[in-house]
Amino acid sequence: EAQVTQNPRYLITVTGKKLTVTCSQNMNHEYMSWYRQDPGLGLRQIYYSMNVEVTDKGDVPEGYKVSRKEKRNFPLILESPSPNQTSLYFCASSKISGIITDTQYFGPGTRLTVL
Amino acid sequence: GQQLNQSPQSMFIQEGEDVSMNCTSSSIFNTWLWYKQDPGEGPVLLIALYKAGELTSNGRLTAQFGITRKDSFLNISASIPSDVGIYFCAGRSGNQFYFGTGTSLTVIP
Repeated sequence: EAQVTQNPRYLITVTGKKLTVTCSQNMNHEYMSWYRQDPGLGLRQIYYSMNVEVTDKGDVPEGYKVSRKEKRNFPLILESPSPNQTSLYFCASSKISGIITDTQYFGPGTRLTVL
Repeated sequence: GQQLNQSPQSMFIQEGEDVSMNCTSSSIFNTWLWYKQDPGEGPVLLIALYKAGELTSNGRLTAQFGITRKDSFLNISASIPSDVGIYFCAGRSGNQFYFGTGTSLTVIP
């Protein structure tokens, strides 16, 4: 089954404790992206990657890092989480052919709470 | 970042009624997209629009890419209970995506 998986689905942590949220897709997609969703603000793009070893900042990259060492994985790293990073996070992927294919497949989300 | 203004914020309608929502931007987009999000899940693409003026249907859903490339609308005809959810517009500019704030739809049987 074609899917995007995220782990963990729920996480409660404390300020300053480094954490990683994993994202994996089994569709051989080139494009992968991370979003955060906050009430009243919709989804905002954090980082995206066009392919292995190619990453770029989205609209709200501050406080986050990503890496793309393998095509299927795109982990989101919070080196020193703060309470304002409490949010619902989504990973998404899509195939690139010519221009970006806009059918992004979204993962189920990770609800992060930073105390 | 680029702002997408989506309206209305919420809608309560009777089953069978038609629904209309729209999205406007201060910037031009290459692509307009409409997604639906059910509780506890990620957004799912409903319709993608690639050209200014394009009108595209997907079953009971119809969406249009505005001529100015700064707006789009989504219509749902003859709503049914499973249409309940949050609808998001999104615009693509280069390799980045920008989402609207969402329209929460409630369908009363």
